[in-house]
Amino acid sequence: SAVISQKPSRDICQRGTSLTIQCQVDSQVTMMFWYRQQPGQSLTLIATANQGSEATYESGFVIDKFPISRPNLTFSTLTVSNMSPEDSSIYLCSARTGHSGNTIYFGEGSWLTVV
Amino acid sequence: GQQVMQIPQYQHVQEGEDFTTYCNSSTTLSNIQWYKQRPGGHPVFLIQLVKSGEVKKQKRLTFQFGEAKKNSSLHITATQTTDVGTYFCARSGSEKLVFGKGTKLTVNP
Repeated sequence: SAVISQKPSRDICQRGTSLTIQCQVDSQVTMMFWYRQQPGQSLTLIATANQGSEATYESGFVIDKFPISRPNLTFSTLTVSNMSPEDSSIYLCSARTGHSGNTIYFGEGSWLTVV
Repeated sequence: GQQVMQIPQYQHVQEGEDFTTYCNSSTTLSNIQWYKQRPGGHPVFLIQLVKSGEVKKQKRLTFQFGEAKKNSSLHITATQTTDVGTYFCARSGSEKLVFGKGTKLTVNP
């Protein structure tokens, strides 16, 4: 299994500002992902974080709004840029290890409220 | 990618009653995964089903994968208050997971 740490765990942000969420995994992982979960909703994949190259974004998500970095195998960041109240959500980092098959492990999430 | 449809969206049961959530796809699935998310928590992996007609049990939880690999179910026998949460099925492609909308279970003591 993998332990995934995210920070901040919770924040209240001002409209128009940007916030960077950090994700650290305790073991080397093959793939890292960022999901968004809006209140009462399911999980929506934002992007796959690729080590040393640009992230692969899903339909409806763009790099200018959600820049992602992954400088090494165990660390990634997601920035939510120019936030609006619609960005209030839980942002979840997840990872797949080489030994877990298709199992994906999740961090505890970063709960963002934009006011 | 293809969505997986999950029903019901909500389920309220009395403690001790059984509970079932269903996951359906219009296309054949290579595998299906189930996750549980407690209120205020993050999704936690429960199980993965791969084989046609597969049935797996975890204590009071029974997971089934349909013969055609287009549907799956999670059944909880004699629910307890600790079963409260949202249960998600997820379709796994070669790399990423696509989640169903989830079934939110509440259990009245």
